[in-house]
Amino acid sequence: EDQVTQSPEALRLQEGESSSLNCSYTVSGLRGLFWYRQDPGKGPEFLFTLYSAGEEKEKERLKATLTKKESFLHITAPKPEDSATYLCAVQANDYKLSFGAGTTVTVRA
Amino acid sequence: EAQVTQNPRYLITVTGKKLTVTCSQNMNHEYMSWYRQDPGLGLRQIYYSMNVEVTDKGDVPEGYKVSRKEKRNFPLILESPSPNQTSLYFCASSRPGNEQFFGPGTRLTVL
Repeated sequence: EDQVTQSPEALRLQEGESSSLNCSYTVSGLRGLFWYRQDPGKGPEFLFTLYSAGEEKEKERLKATLTKKESFLHITAPKPEDSATYLCAVQANDYKLSFGAGTTVTVRA
Repeated sequence: EAQVTQNPRYLITVTGKKLTVTCSQNMNHEYMSWYRQDPGLGLRQIYYSMNVEVTDKGDVPEGYKVSRKEKRNFPLILESPSPNQTSLYFCASSRPGNEQFFGPGTRLTVL
């Protein structure tokens, strides 16, 4: 069975304090790994897709990386508007999607 | 505007009363999916569909049914809802293998 584990569950940061979120996974054939951002009461919003080990993607203060067993989402110099729950998901070769429970990030001004 | 719509957004019902949550997308996506989200458990896939008349079970299909008669619509059916199906439900669509576009969510309470 495919599994996705995210850590930590919650992260409190001071504005400007960089940190990393972890997503470790086991999947029967990785088609893609996805990162989403979710604000309270809303549907997840897409951030990145990573397809193969060694791949990196960047967008503003966020950078996602992928190895064969885990992915990291690095937040550089976060601002209060980066506060959200960040979700990791893996898609297997049969197109089934498995999500982690998420990391809730709070950035204080 | 490209979007995924769900109806209703909020629903309170009683145990055993059949209900349907509709989902529609206007992006001509082949792949559609239903998820439930519960505190501490994250998003769990209920069913997904690769195209018209093709559906597959996700991780938590028990107690749910789906159908895909048209490409744009993917309704979720609870034939005999129970209190453990109280949850926040999301529909999503995508090109196969690409990022999902999510609807606004349906908050269901089963008494």
